[in-house]
Amino acid sequence: GAVVSQHPSRVICKSGTSVKIECRSLDFQATTMFWYRQFPKKSLMLMATSNEGSKATYEQGVEKDKFLINHASLTLSTLTVTSAHPEDSSFYICSARDLDGLYWGYTFGSGTRLTVV
Amino acid sequence: AQSVTQPDIHITVSEGASLELRCNYSYGATPYLFWYVQSPGQGLQLLLKYFSGDTLVQGIKGFEAEFKRSQSSFNLRKPSVHWSDAAEYFCAVGTVSNRDDKIIFGKGTRLHILP
Repeated sequence: GAVVSQHPSRVICKSGTSVKIECRSLDFQATTMFWYRQFPKKSLMLMATSNEGSKATYEQGVEKDKFLINHASLTLSTLTVTSAHPEDSSFYICSARDLDGLYWGYTFGSGTRLTVV
Repeated sequence: AQSVTQPDIHITVSEGASLELRCNYSYGATPYLFWYVQSPGQGLQLLLKYFSGDTLVQGIKGFEAEFKRSQSSFNLRKPSVHWSDAAEYFCAVGTVSNRDDKIIFGKGTRLHILP
């Protein structure tokens, strides 16, 4: 089946620095990828939809200048948290849209735990 | 707009007992429905999905779910739970037919298993 690889799994960074998270579809081409943020004991909040070769579509309330998304190829999308602050600490999960037989489905990465100190 | 309600934040069942996790959705058209499981600190694993056809869907790990249009529900069931089933379960609804699709998650139900 479809596999999505997300790296790093954990990252600790200093306040004010930037962090890049990668999301790769390993055995399929993903024209659309999604980035979610999960707060402790909370559900997943969709941050943005990333389409290959075009600008990402951000959900309301998500700062596009803070969370930079690049989807430069059909197998790679990156999320860069710029000038990170402790309140950006969270669990970030990417998802890729894949064709499963006649229907589209979603495959998730294993997530990235970001801690900003 | 799509929305998903999982009315139970926590569910506790004894090992070997049956399980039902509730999910209600709101969507204007025929929904595409998913159940995902998340272990602590991990990503999401798809248990099962419903797109069309038979309303009783079989998934992995012995789970099944039934789509009931009249009740706008997609409840997850398992006849006999195992200690390894303890995790967070998310119901999700989405449209998957065009480039503008996205899926919306419920708030999740934490499943606890008593030995």
